[in-house]
Amino acid sequence: DTGVSQNPRHKITKRGQNVTFRCDPISEHNRLYWYRQTLGQGPEFLTYFQNEAQLEKSRLLSDRFSAERPKGSFSTLEIQRTEQGDSAMYLCASSLVGGNYGYTFGSGTRLTVV
Amino acid sequence: QKEVEQDPGPLSVPEGAIVSLNCTYSNSAFQYFMWYRQYSRKGPELLMYTYSSGNKEDGRFTAQVDKSSKYISLFIRDSQPSDSATYLCAMSAYGQNFVFGPGTRLSVLP
Repeated sequence: DTGVSQNPRHKITKRGQNVTFRCDPISEHNRLYWYRQTLGQGPEFLTYFQNEAQLEKSRLLSDRFSAERPKGSFSTLEIQRTEQGDSAMYLCASSLVGGNYGYTFGSGTRLTVV
Repeated sequence: QKEVEQDPGPLSVPEGAIVSLNCTYSNSAFQYFMWYRQYSRKGPELLMYTYSSGNKEDGRFTAQVDKSSKYISLFIRDSQPSDSATYLCAMSAYGQNFVFGPGTRLSVLP
């Protein structure tokens, strides 16, 4: 197992376009999280899944954002009609339910909206 | 007032020094605490995970939680230039949605 994998690593898009990011968590992890991080700030929670169920969404997740985890394995995060304010690092993390386990983060997808 | 406060630094120390990194928080419901290290343009790497109050040690790292003061610390002993990174604290009430601090930039000088 190579950890949490995110693709693409970088994405440059024009304002108004749609983008989709993919996250492959550690295989035995049943929880998957999406966070967003801007320069000089800590990651901000967006949403999380337990298996295929989306259990919580942040107020940051506007209706232009949608996340799925169709079979409880990989997840996608889609941003529709991108805005310049969406430029950030999008981080995916996974963990096991229960016990004293922290998250394992991926390397992130850096989005630049021009 | 932000939910989690952390001095952004930068903090510069000589190699071999003991480093103390701190966070304060306002939500008394927080009981799960994490420390992450993040190198530039990389994802955060988990260093320590603690539950409730007390100390936890792992190699050169010691995490302390004082829930009565709403204050957590990470100590790094025998600091190395490779420890130069941004250190993020994170905390949660139920172990799921973690709130992160803005991070402290640490520079360990050879």
